[in-house]
Amino acid sequence: DSGVTQTPKHLITATGQRVTLRCSPRSGDLSVYWYQQSLDQGLQFLIQYYNGEERAKGNILERFSAQQFPDLHSELNLSSLELGDSALYFCASSPVAAGVEKLFFGSGTQLSVL
Amino acid sequence: QQQVKQSPQSLIVQKGGIPIINCAYENTAFDYFPWYQQFPGKGPALLIAIRPDVSEKKEGRFTISFNKSAKQFSLHIMDSQPGDSATYFCAATLSRDNYGQNFVFGPGTRLSVLP
Repeated sequence: DSGVTQTPKHLITATGQRVTLRCSPRSGDLSVYWYQQSLDQGLQFLIQYYNGEERAKGNILERFSAQQFPDLHSELNLSSLELGDSALYFCASSPVAAGVEKLFFGSGTQLSVL
Repeated sequence: QQQVKQSPQSLIVQKGGIPIINCAYENTAFDYFPWYQQFPGKGPALLIAIRPDVSEKKEGRFTISFNKSAKQFSLHIMDSQPGDSATYFCAATLSRDNYGQNFVFGPGTRLSVLP
């Protein structure tokens, strides 16, 4: 168990809908990352937050947004969903400190858009 | 320049064999190269990592070989076991200040170790 909690584990929805994925990082980890994993694309970096502030942005669509709250949990919001958004979405947290670079991944949220 | 290439896409070996997974990067500023292991239904987990100031790092049956001039690194699994069957991702990152790092992952290699 990595200590990173993601909910829900599975999500089935229809095109055009909006969903929210939730992530609770490991205790004490200030940094949260979101990744999208699809069969043909591997692990694609979406966005990173550090202590509530956006730090880095990857290939995140404008229909997607995220935030990190004061208690450090994070949410990824996906709107106007399309069939191609079906994927496994991972959250990872990192114990950011000098000389330490480790990502601890949650078990992911499997999103199916029908 | 941010891309990490990984091969092969899939690999099948017999128990006891030595599977080798290769990765290549372009950005010479990358200074930390981890490998992650992912079992079905689970998130990736850190397996082993190396910095470019050494050419090899070994942890148990897992070894990373690093060639800085060629901008390549590889994972070797000695005496592979069926329990090693998983997807392996190489990654590269640029160490920053204390605010975190941006990891770039390879596309993954699905390894199957036959009993």
